[in-house]
Amino acid sequence: SQKIEQNSEALNIQEGKTATLTCNYTNYSPAYLQWYRQDPGRGPVFLLLIRENEKEKRKERLKVTFDTTLKQSLFHITASQPADSATYLCALAPPSNSGYALNFGKGTSLLVTP
Amino acid sequence: SQTIHQWPATLVQPVGSPLSLECTVEGTSNPNLYWYRQAAGRGLQLLFYSVGIGQISSEVPQNLSASRPQDRQFILSSKKLLLSDSGFYLCAWNQKKIYGYTFGSGTRLTVV
Repeated sequence: SQKIEQNSEALNIQEGKTATLTCNYTNYSPAYLQWYRQDPGRGPVFLLLIRENEKEKRKERLKVTFDTTLKQSLFHITASQPADSATYLCALAPPSNSGYALNFGKGTSLLVTP
Repeated sequence: SQTIHQWPATLVQPVGSPLSLECTVEGTSNPNLYWYRQAAGRGLQLLFYSVGIGQISSEVPQNLSASRPQDRQFILSSKKLLLSDSGFYLCAWNQKKIYGYTFGSGTRLTVV
């Protein structure tokens, strides 16, 4: 069966450090992978999309890597701030549908302390 | 600019009552539309998606249904709610390319 696994344990880091979140998947052959941020009681917000032929993508303090051999994506937040505290979700499209309907991981909660 | 509207924000309904949640998108045409549910402590579960008027794909068999009567309107319904239908319901849209989703603000449904 298809699985998207994110670390269920919350990640606590100190302000200014780099946060690294992991997304592993099985039984997907994704053309791309997406990362979202979700705050409590709110809908997820799209952050980054990385395609299968891209090893790395950056946006401001965010960096995403995508290793289709390891079936893994890493999401980095450099110089983290308390405002970065949220749950981060990775998402993939299963091959069985039109390719646009995403399946989401359960997310990893990040807490950045001053 | 494009916006997505979802209502109501919260809803408390008795078991066995009907449900209708509405989602509309403005500022775009022919979007892909999606309904997700997020139960407490669980991930986002894809319920339905639509690539056009009257075209609905169901991902999970259950007592919910969806309809798309207009290009930018997506409705989630139930004839009789179950306790297990409680959760946070999210509508989302994207264009017909591999762009990220834009989610609505969600409806917190509690079935009592």
